[in-house]
Amino acid sequence: GQQLNQSPQSMFIQEGEDVSMNCTSSSIFNTWLWYKQDPGEGPVLLIALYKAGELTSNGRLTAQFGITRKDSFLNISASIPSDVGIYFCAGRSNFGNEKLTFGTGTRLTIIP
Amino acid sequence: DSGVTQTPKHLITATGQRVTLRCSPRSGDLSVYWYQQSLDQGLQFLIQYYNGEERAKGNILERFSAQQFPDLHSELNLSSLELGDSALYFCASSVDQNSPLHFGNGTRLTVT
Repeated sequence: GQQLNQSPQSMFIQEGEDVSMNCTSSSIFNTWLWYKQDPGEGPVLLIALYKAGELTSNGRLTAQFGITRKDSFLNISASIPSDVGIYFCAGRSNFGNEKLTFGTGTRLTIIP
Repeated sequence: DSGVTQTPKHLITATGQRVTLRCSPRSGDLSVYWYQQSLDQGLQFLIQYYNGEERAKGNILERFSAQQFPDLHSELNLSSLELGDSALYFCASSVDQNSPLHFGNGTRLTVT
């Protein structure tokens, strides 16, 4: 089946730093989604991408749909304490009733 | 608030027992998905329903079953519970099978 490799697994940064994380797939995706999960809560949709090469922003967050359609990147600029959490990428191939496959997550911690 | 409601929030039960988790999707959403998240793990897809019909199955155990009712709410039934079934169970919904998923806040199941 499809596999999503998300990296890094965890990040320890200082407030104000920029953050980058990415996901790579073993197959082509037609949709990439980025979610954030806070402790004890469900994942919340941050950004949705539907076209190869697409670059979309949501405030300090920017995500890109890779040209090869096998990867996606999420950048967070000028991190703040509320950015702490686990970030998940998710992809779907849309060939038939393909389920949404989730990456393993990137845990972001801000060091005081 | 995603608009997806899950009950109960917490459930503690013993091995061998059976429980039912309930999900009300966002108003207007026809697709319902169930995911399992074990401690510090990613989201494992269990099963998807669309307008009352099963559409996709993931790594769902035979001891687990689900259904979506005519009013579109869904229930996930877990039987012959084992210690390893302890996890967060998330329900998500979407307008259709190609749209982003919106997650509830999960049911935390503890099997003792």
